[in-house]
Amino acid sequence: EDQVTQSPEALRLQEGESSSLNCSYTVSGLRGLFWYRQDPGKGPEFLFTLYSAGEEKEKERLKATLTKKESFLHITAPKPEDSATYLCAVRDSGGSNYKLTFGKGTLLTVNP
Amino acid sequence: GAGVSQSPRYKVAKRGQDVALRCDPISGHVSLFWYQQALGQGPEFLTYFQNEAQLDKSGLPSDRFFAERPEGSVSTLKIQRTQQEDSAVYLCASSPIGVNTIYFGEGSWLTVV
Repeated sequence: EDQVTQSPEALRLQEGESSSLNCSYTVSGLRGLFWYRQDPGKGPEFLFTLYSAGEEKEKERLKATLTKKESFLHITAPKPEDSATYLCAVRDSGGSNYKLTFGKGTLLTVNP
Repeated sequence: GAGVSQSPRYKVAKRGQDVALRCDPISGHVSLFWYQQALGQGPEFLTYFQNEAQLDKSGLPSDRFFAERPEGSVSTLKIQRTQQEDSAVYLCASSPIGVNTIYFGEGSWLTVV
């Protein structure tokens, strides 16, 4: 069974204070690892898909990286508008290769 | 708009009442998913459609939950005889064929009182 564990559960940063969020996963075969951003009262907003170990993707102040067991979402010089819950999800390459399995998310708060 | 549209956005139901939640996927998207998200948790898979065919309903919590997509576009998630534990956000998502990205709607917030 696919498993996704995110840490920390919550993170408070000062504006400009860089940090990383962790996503550890277990799948039989990885079809993709996904990062989403979710604002209060909204649906998840797609950020990145990573496919293989060593892959990196960037978008503004966010950079996602992938190893064989975990992914990191690095946030460089965050701003208050980066405050949100960040969700990690995996899609395996087996029989149920259409569904995403999500972690519980990391609630990020960036103070001005 | 061009995104996944869900209605109603908010629903308060009395225990025992039946509810129906509607999803309009992005035009042309073959795959459609329903997820349930409890407060402070990640979304959990409920069911999957490819066009009008429901290929997986393994995540539906009980036989009170029923989903359909009769013409391969709009989908409805129906919950019969609602219970307090059904209170959650119900997220609909869609994806085009051959693309590994799933796009979510804003969700329908269900509160059972």
